[in-house]
Amino acid sequence: ETGVTQSPTHLIKTRGQQVTLRCSSQSGHNTVSWYQQALGQGPQFIFQYYREEENGRGNFPPRFSGLQFPNYSSELNVNALELDDSALYLCASSFEAGYSPLHFGNGTRLTVT
Amino acid sequence: QKEVEQDPGPLSVPEGAIVSLNCTYSNSAFQYFMWYRQYSRKGPELLMYTYSSGNKEDGRFTAQVDKSSKYISLFIRDSQPSDSATYLCAMSANGNKLVFGAGTILRVKS
Repeated sequence: ETGVTQSPTHLIKTRGQQVTLRCSSQSGHNTVSWYQQALGQGPQFIFQYYREEENGRGNFPPRFSGLQFPNYSSELNVNALELDDSALYLCASSFEAGYSPLHFGNGTRLTVT
Repeated sequence: QKEVEQDPGPLSVPEGAIVSLNCTYSNSAFQYFMWYRQYSRKGPELLMYTYSSGNKEDGRFTAQVDKSSKYISLFIRDSQPSDSATYLCAMSANGNKLVFGAGTILRVKS
């Protein structure tokens, strides 16, 4: 069984640029969630996708957007990058939306300079 | 006030000790409770998953939930140096959006 995989592992971008992060969900999982983890903090919920539709969103501005594809893989896009966007971005998948635990990937470390 | 409060530590214990990690929360709608372990430069790894109040045991790990007090705990018996990591509590009202604590850094000395 393949776990959650994320790419790239590290990324350096300049303020104002755009970035796309990718996630492949665990085999058999149809729900993908994205979290942002700042240094020394717990992860914060960005949004969740269930069967290609957004299924809940946290307190993040619209420049954070996402997609889920028919094979349940997902992308996180961030436009107009700000210095505060520097963080570890975590993708998690679950068997169904709600009632099943999330399994996380190892994340993408984004640095904005 | 944060929805979930967790003592950041660091908590330093000798090998073999019993470790107690705790979180308090303010949202009475939470009914799913989880503990994750996170090693440096890795993603969170699910340790325990419980629904509503009560205890759950898995090997050296025991999770307790007291909804009346809005308090959850994770106990680690016979702690090992390999248990050194950051422990994150997480909770949810509907199983979708998880709200995390800030994490407790645990160091087990050999």
